[in-house]
Amino acid sequence: DVKVTQSSRYLVKRTGEKVFLECVQDMDHENMFWYRQDPGLGLRLIYFSYDVKMKEKGDIPEGYSVSREKKERFSLILESASTNQTSMYLCASSLRLAAHYEQYFGPGTRLTVT
Amino acid sequence: DAKTTQPNSMESNEEEPVHLPCNHSTISGTDYIHWYRQLPSQGPEYVIHGLTSNVNNRMASLAIAEDRKSSTLILHRATLRDAAVYYCILRDPLGGSQGNLIFGKGTKLSVKP
Repeated sequence: DVKVTQSSRYLVKRTGEKVFLECVQDMDHENMFWYRQDPGLGLRLIYFSYDVKMKEKGDIPEGYSVSREKKERFSLILESASTNQTSMYLCASSLRLAAHYEQYFGPGTRLTVT
Repeated sequence: DAKTTQPNSMESNEEEPVHLPCNHSTISGTDYIHWYRQLPSQGPEYVIHGLTSNVNNRMASLAIAEDRKSSTLILHRATLRDAAVYYCILRDPLGGSQGNLIFGKGTKLSVKP
């Protein structure tokens, strides 16, 4: 079974702190995604990566950056955390971007910024 | 991606079959129909997908209408662990390179013992 793991289930940070969220997948997938999920807004794509060191902005990249130095690892960075970044963050991976390929999600990190 | 419509909530009894409907009247000829579910406090989980023919896997069955304007996810024997929000999603292979999933509000399934 594909496994996607995220470094923390719950995280509390202060406004202005730099925050790193780590995601690791063990199935040699090319593509990895970072979403955030907020009540009433569904899942929104922050960034995705289709190869090592390659990244593309999603729908809401402002305030975030990403890093993919190794195929299995995709990091989301909040340069200076703000209260409006309090959310559930979900990492996903997929073998291909094509429409008939499924995505596998991690358990999520619930981040609270105070 | 084309829009889907699902009931907000459904109830089922444990060990009975559950049929979760999804309407997608504006589906294009190339859209794939995907189903995901999200258990409380978990990330979404892939359930099944199909294009035109009915599909079965170990988790569920997917019945696709002949005109493809609707589909039904079938859980053959609901268990308490199937209580989740179920999302029906259309994915257009010609719709760009982001590859991201667009989740609607889904159907919240409750399973009674």
